[in-house]
Amino acid sequence: QKEVEQNSGPLSVPEGAIASLNCTYSDRGSQSFFWYRQYSGKSPELIMSIYSNGDKEDGRFTAQLNKASQYVSLLIRDSQPSDSATYLCAVQKAAGNKLTFGGGTRVLVKP
Amino acid sequence: DTAVSQTPKYLVTQMGNDKSIKCEQNLGHDTMYWYKQDSKKFLKIMFSYNNKELIINETVPNRFSPKSPDKAHLNLHINSLELGDSAVYFCASSRTGELFFGEGSRLTVL
Repeated sequence: QKEVEQNSGPLSVPEGAIASLNCTYSDRGSQSFFWYRQYSGKSPELIMSIYSNGDKEDGRFTAQLNKASQYVSLLIRDSQPSDSATYLCAVQKAAGNKLTFGGGTRVLVKP
Repeated sequence: DTAVSQTPKYLVTQMGNDKSIKCEQNLGHDTMYWYKQDSKKFLKIMFSYNNKELIINETVPNRFSPKSPDKAHLNLHINSLELGDSAVYFCASSRTGELFFGEGSRLTVL
């Protein structure tokens, strides 16, 4: 079992719809969770971080964490073509420890 | 001003050669990393330094040797390059776990 798993996609959504991305992790001791966006040929950039169970909203993005189910998700509301990218989930066991990344979910937003 | 910068951006070389990648960050972070992203886009940690001290060394061949002259710089030297070393190498820095990545160095071994 991989430490951090994501559906590779592509996840195709029409413009204006909600894109829902899922991520599961294997280490129950994980404490910090991050979503990164990576455009083709570019470096990953941080979108959201979440540390406690529940929802965290930032603009059109909402991160959801459920530690009991070892599950973290990202919702993108009102999806735009500029949201087309690969979204990477990353998990950290404790402060100062390495981030372990999932394989990423490719999202395609069609006008 | 670029927060995390790495050079060169592209390297094309023959098998068996040696190459180096340099990284500098001006964010004042204590921790720097090297990550490798392969053709399947899987991003995997290689090394981490905290204040010039090596703290993470993932099962990486000893042909790869990182060096941190100070906490703002982290270089990567690769000896005897192999075809499987072809990838994009990302430098990153962090303070609290949120990583800031450089633009990446695409290494192609022929």
